[in-house]
Amino acid sequence: GESVGLHLPTLSVQEGDNSIINCAYSNSASDYFIWYKQESGKGPQFIIDIRSNMDKRQGQRVTVLLNKTVKHLSLQIAATQPGDSAVYFCAEAPLQGAQKLVFGQGTRLTINP
Amino acid sequence: KAGVTQTPRYLIKTRGQQVTLSCSPISGHRSVSWYQQTPGQGLQFLFEYFSETQRNKGNFPGRFSGRQFSNSRSEMNVSTLELGDSALYLCASSALQDLSSPLHFGNGTRLTVT
Repeated sequence: GESVGLHLPTLSVQEGDNSIINCAYSNSASDYFIWYKQESGKGPQFIIDIRSNMDKRQGQRVTVLLNKTVKHLSLQIAATQPGDSAVYFCAEAPLQGAQKLVFGQGTRLTINP
Repeated sequence: KAGVTQTPRYLIKTRGQQVTLSCSPISGHRSVSWYQQTPGQGLQFLFEYFSETQRNKGNFPGRFSGRQFSNSRSEMNVSTLELGDSALYLCASSALQDLSSPLHFGNGTRLTVT
């Protein structure tokens, strides 16, 4: 049969600007949410995580926001750099099965010089 | 500290053959998970091992199997390969089998079935 490629949403920002990547998750019972960055030829790299009892968590240049009411997750990257260009995935973990992450389809972020 | 190591990096097999992929977790990590990544289906969970026991399994046929050794190293096996098994197979490890320990991924094994 025909193979259909995954169409990734894309986001393009200027170097130095802030970027926001959004993600809608499906399971209202999920307890844990995590963002990964994947560069070409590499595996996903952990960026930041958040538990469902929190609304916001900050890391170095990154902030994750969780809105459980509308099942929405976002990743904010401050002062973007060329090295931030990658595909970003959100993932959720259900209460049963801590390592059984369910991944979103990913967003391709491109940083323009 | 060395990251998750997967071997080999690339594999080419023909339909009907079987394949074994290897994963060495980060030192001290006892949980090892496997994921399949394809353009069409994205990242999908295969199975997870903790202390040599399979604790969770995804929705894949029985042709996909795995095991974990006493040193936490893990292997996965795919028998009777099909063209649709062509994918990037990712191994991830974590220190604990709970939500406080994120998964750390290796760079994967790229399997091509012809």
